[in-house]
Amino acid sequence: SQTIHQWPATLVQPVGSPLSLECTVEGTSNPNLYWYRQAAGRGLQLLFYSVGIGQISSEVPQNLSASRPQDRQFILSSKKLLLSDSGFYLCAWSVRGSLTYNEQFFGPGTRLTVL
Amino acid sequence: DAKTTQPPSMDCAEGRAANLPCNHSTISGNEYVYWYRQIHSQGPQYIIHGLKNNETNEMASLIITEDRKSSTLILPHATLRDTAVYYCIVRVNYGGATNKLIFGTGTLLAVQP
Repeated sequence: SQTIHQWPATLVQPVGSPLSLECTVEGTSNPNLYWYRQAAGRGLQLLFYSVGIGQISSEVPQNLSASRPQDRQFILSSKKLLLSDSGFYLCAWSVRGSLTYNEQFFGPGTRLTVL
Repeated sequence: DAKTTQPPSMDCAEGRAANLPCNHSTISGNEYVYWYRQIHSQGPQYIIHGLKNNETNEMASLIITEDRKSSTLILPHATLRDTAVYYCIVRVNYGGATNKLIFGTGTLLAVQP
């Protein structure tokens, strides 16, 4: 069966510090991968998605970047965190190439607080 | 993808059916209706999806009106563990590359004991 892991679960970082959040998927190959952010009391916002190694699409301009160094690894980074980067970060995956069934499976999330 | 409108919150008594409405009046012919839910501090969980026929699975039923401009998610016997934010999303089933979900603010369902 497939599983998706995210770490760390919680993170408190000062403004201006770097960030690296990691997501890995097990039990599947060639998945689509996604990073979402949920600000306090708000809906989920899609940040990045990837259809393959080294292929990243950005949905919104921001202080963050994403990378996919391996097929089942997705990394969210920042060189200098802003207060507005605080939120709940979720990684998700879906089956690539399915025409009728494209459910997304979400990880447990990382709660980031920037002080 | 078409925009959806959901009530911000609803209450339901434990053991009763929970009926969550969603309006999607600008839905296109090739757009599916998806439902996800998010329990507090967890990632969203897929519930069900459909195109124009009513659908049922082990979690819920999805009723789509004939004109497809609205739908209702039904949890037949709500439990306290069903307390969550429920998201209604309409999207084209692209498959492959652009498999994106656009989440709104959803409906907070509070199941009362």
